[in-house]
Amino acid sequence: KQEVTQIPAALSVPEGENLVLNCSFTDSAIYNLQWFRQDPGKGLTSLLLIQSSQREQTSGRLNASLDKSSGRSTLYIAASQPGDSATYLCAVRSSGGYQKVTFGTGTKLQVIP
Amino acid sequence: SAVISQKPSRDICQRGTSLTIQCQVDSQVTMMFWYRQQPGQSLTLIATANQGSEATYESGFVIDKFPISRPNLTFSTLTVSNMSPEDSSIYLCSGRLGTGTDTQYFGPGTRLTVL
Repeated sequence: KQEVTQIPAALSVPEGENLVLNCSFTDSAIYNLQWFRQDPGKGLTSLLLIQSSQREQTSGRLNASLDKSSGRSTLYIAASQPGDSATYLCAVRSSGGYQKVTFGTGTKLQVIP
Repeated sequence: SAVISQKPSRDICQRGTSLTIQCQVDSQVTMMFWYRQQPGQSLTLIATANQGSEATYESGFVIDKFPISRPNLTFSTLTVSNMSPEDSSIYLCSGRLGTGTDTQYFGPGTRLTVL
């Protein structure tokens, strides 16, 4: 059974700082890993999708890396802004069966102006 | 890409009643899913909605409590039956365009409060 953990659970940083969010998973037999953002009371917005064969993906100030063998992914946010304040979720799609997606526990980020 | 809408966006219901949530996708998705997000928690998969057949439920979820329909490739409903306050959650519909390398898309969620 896949288990996905995110550390830290909450993070508060001053505006302008670079930061790293961590995601670890127990079963390395994955198809891909996706990072989402969730604003309070809202649905999920997809940020980055990394295929199992890839090492990293970049979009603007966001960079996500994947080390499948060690069961880890990181989301790097450069020059953080107050608008980045949200909960960040990583989701791992297993490679077997119907490719179930398992979500992490989330990191709640607050960027202080 | 796919855009997913849900109705209602939120509701407040009385204990013992049932609520049906609708999910509409603007593209033909091969797979649709229903998730629950309890307060302060991450997302938990309830079931995979199968077109024209019974949904596939995850451990801890049963058809009598969460009946699901999926009559075609773009529409699904989730009913929360005989509700109790413990069912207060956000319910999210999700779709995948195909297997393999594609992104999984999510609806905005339905915020349910049971009194």
